Amino acid sequence: AQRVTQPEKLLSVFKGAPVELKCNYSYSGSPELFWYVQYSRQRLQLLLRHISRESIKGFTADLNKGETSFHLKKPFAQEEDSAMYYCALSGLTGANNLFFGTGTRLTVIP
Amino acid sequence: GAGVSQSPSNKVTEKGKDVELRCDPISGHTALYWYRQSLGQGLEFLIYFQGNSAPDKSGLPSDRFSAERTGGSVSTLTIQRTQQEDSAVYLCASSDQGWPNEKLFFGSGTQLSVL
Repeated sequence: AQRVTQPEKLLSVFKGAPVELKCNYSYSGSPELFWYVQYSRQRLQLLLRHISRESIKGFTADLNKGETSFHLKKPFAQEEDSAMYYCALSGLTGANNLFFGTGTRLTVIP
Repeated sequence: GAGVSQSPSNKVTEKGKDVELRCDPISGHTALYWYRQSLGQGLEFLIYFQGNSAPDKSGLPSDRFSAERTGGSVSTLTIQRTQQEDSAVYLCASSDQGWPNEKLFFGSGTQLSVL
């Protein structure tokens, strides 16, 4: 069974400091990993996905199959990065469901 | 359309009553998901519709929960005999992309409160 673990419910960093939101997964096949973000009073939206190898708003995430991790990183946090972040996994199981972790609330302190 | 639309935005009901939650996906999106967002629990997958395929109901927590998607568009999530533990935000999402490029567009949710 697939599982996504985000060990930190809350994370606070100072503006300009590096930030890393942790995500570990368990899945028997080859998963695809995503990060979704929910800003205050906004809808949940896709931030980035592993397959696109993209950097969005300065964030990147590297899939480490050996450590089964997909940590989200940004070298210099901004106040507008304060939000709820969800790591998600999709596997080719026939139903293609997207399973989410419990989320990490990031607060960037000015 | 502007995006995924959910109604009502808020629903307060008494324990034991039935409720229906509605989702209008983005036009043309073949995939539709229902999730439940509870405090401290993250997003819990409930059910997934993809085109004309049989829905994946593996996430429904009990037989009090059911969902339909009529004509491949609008979906209704029904909770029968509501319990207090059903209180949560119910999110609907739709997508027009298949695995592994799945990009979900979420609605603003229905806040359900069971008294």
